[in-house]
Amino acid sequence: EVQLVESGGGLVQPGGSLRLSCAASGFTFSSYWMYWVRQAPGKGLVWVSHIYSDGSSTRYADSVKGRFTISRDIAKNTLYLQMNSLRVEDTAVYYCARGQTSNYNYYYTDVWGKGTTVTVS
Amino acid sequence: DIQMTQSPSTLSASVGDRVTITCRASQTISTWLAWYQQKPGKAPKLLIYDASSLESGVPSRFSGRGSGTEFTLTISSLQPDDFATYYCQQYNSYWTFGQGTKVEIK
Repeated sequence: EVQLVESGGGLVQPGGSLRLSCAASGFTFSSYWMYWVRQAPGKGLVWVSHIYSDGSSTRYADSVKGRFTISRDIAKNTLYLQMNSLRVEDTAVYYCARGQTSNYNYYYTDVWGKGTTVTVS
Repeated sequence: DIQMTQSPSTLSASVGDRVTITCRASQTISTWLAWYQQKPGKAPKLLIYDASSLESGVPSRFSGRGSGTEFTLTISSLQPDDFATYYCQQYNSYWTFGQGTKVEIK
């Protein structure tokens, strides 16, 4: 079964740090782009970051650029999001998701984890 | 940045109704659009990708149309399990989601 399981969320003070993890199973992790998406309480979905299948390139939303770092460990089949200098507005459920494509140029996501909650207060 | 605007924000409907949600992009995105369903406390679920391709396992009552800047998601006969919030997402340039459409029981 294809599965993504996030962990690492919690309560942190403004200015603090957290590292989120996303354990992947049931598919060849090294073959897929991976994403982080967040959802603030009662709000919509917002793309945060993504990383290429081989880790050679990363992209970030402007709101987190310079504060968050996405990475992946192929040996451990795990995706990470290091979050530094956290702000109250970073409070959200953070989802990891698997990238999918029909043409190797444009990527959507077909598998999502259940999410992990980050509260900055 | 590409902005995505969904309408309506809330939709009240009954079981068996035909329901259509519209999503408009601020600039052309070809057919690089996906639709997701989200229930409270759950992760989003992919329904449609590439504007009109039905994800495996998704009931055929869901369908998507459109290209360029205007897109629709249609549920041909609303079922009790379909009451949820629906999001469109463009992936032509990075990602942007619409604000969501909540489908509620009339």
